Amino acid sequence: GQNIDQPTEMTATEGAIVQINCTYQTSGFNGLFWYQQHAGEAPTFLSYNVLDGLEEKGRFSSFLSRSKGYSYLLLKELQMKDSASYLCAPMDSNYQLIWGAGTKLIIKP
Amino acid sequence: IAGITQAPTSQILAAGRRMTLRCTQDMRHNAMYWYRQDLGLGLRLIHYSNTAGTTGKGEVPDGYSVSRANTDDFPLTLASAVPSQTSVYFCASSEESGGGAYEQFFGPGTRLTVL
Repeated sequence: GQNIDQPTEMTATEGAIVQINCTYQTSGFNGLFWYQQHAGEAPTFLSYNVLDGLEEKGRFSSFLSRSKGYSYLLLKELQMKDSASYLCAPMDSNYQLIWGAGTKLIIKP
Repeated sequence: IAGITQAPTSQILAAGRRMTLRCTQDMRHNAMYWYRQDLGLGLRLIHYSNTAGTTGKGEVPDGYSVSRANTDDFPLTLASAVPSQTSVYFCASSEESGGGAYEQFFGPGTRLTVL
């Protein structure tokens, strides 16, 4: 079966760095997406990885290891507005996104 | 402002009633999707459409139907609502389906309660 595993909740301090891990098992693989979702709002796109390695975009970076079925999202210089859920979503062989339940990130001053 | 709109924002519905959730995008995207999001679970795909005139079943299609008569609109119909269909429903679109960095853009969601 297809499975996505992410921590349910994480807490970090404003200004710090946090890494949100995601492991996945899918039928085929066509890249992995990360989305951010604030409470009561729609998900918004953060990053896409299809090759192994690190993709950097401002304060956010995303890493992929296809052989290990593993990805992480790295958030630097945390701000209070980064308090949200972060959704890991690999794309399977049918080009459908398989969504994890998300990691709720709580930022404390 | 370009994007996706959904209507209604929220709805309370009696079990057994028929309900259509509306979704419209003005980005001329070919692909559209309907998801439901329940507490503690990931987004689950209900139905999708790769292009106008075609639709497909997702992970949880039972009890739902869709149509894609044109590029912009992708309504979702619950023929006879049941309490287990209480959820937040998101419509999304992407420029294309298939492989590649085609991010999905989401509408604001419809919060549906079936009593």
